[in-house]
Amino acid sequence: DAGVIQSPRHEVTEMGQEVTLRCKPISGHDYLFWYRQTMMRGLELLIYFNNNVPIDDSGMPEDRFSAKMPNASFSTLKIQPSEPRDSAVYFCASSLAARGQTGVVGNSPLHFGNGTRLTVT
Amino acid sequence: AQKITQTQPGMFVQEKEAVTLDCTYDTSDQSYGLFWYKQPSSGEMIFLIYQGSYDEQNATEGRYSLNFQKARKSANLVISASQLGDSAMYFCAMREGAGSQGNLIFGKGTKLSVKP
Repeated sequence: DAGVIQSPRHEVTEMGQEVTLRCKPISGHDYLFWYRQTMMRGLELLIYFNNNVPIDDSGMPEDRFSAKMPNASFSTLKIQPSEPRDSAVYFCASSLAARGQTGVVGNSPLHFGNGTRLTVT
Repeated sequence: AQKITQTQPGMFVQEKEAVTLDCTYDTSDQSYGLFWYKQPSSGEMIFLIYQGSYDEQNATEGRYSLNFQKARKSANLVISASQLGDSAMYFCAMREGAGSQGNLIFGKGTKLSVKP
């Protein structure tokens, strides 16, 4: 059973260039998340989708960041133009909505991809 | 205020001994869930254990157990019989809100080093 697949694993780019990160969630999962990890700020949620619809994008830093989920098996996170402060590890994660649970918080864990290490010079 | 607080930036433990990693949380919701993840030096995030706010018993998964003290809002991870492979960053996370299936809020993590 394949896990969450992210590409590329590493990306080095120059300031001002466009960067596109890709994610294939686990088949059948309802939710897809994009997180960013830095030493200073830890793991921060950027955006998440439910059934391909963006639910919360309040963590997207600014208009330079955009995310799409055109279908249940693919999502992209785009940074245009990139800046050195965008350097971080970007994680994609997916989860399955817990069935039969009403009135309680869902217990489904997030399954993470291996991340994309982005370096903007 | 931080939602998840992990007060130990780094911890050392002798191989084969038990270790407790602290986590306190802040929420006004009655329904919430607490998760622990392990991040080895290779970078992947590995789910370890889950505790729901309505669960009456502390969660256990193999060598991992959760010391859940609801009144104190703490959910400490206990690793028994530490192994060298347990050396990693450990993150506590919370999902809050009745019916919520979404986002996890993560703490800053604790770096555990297991000494031979």
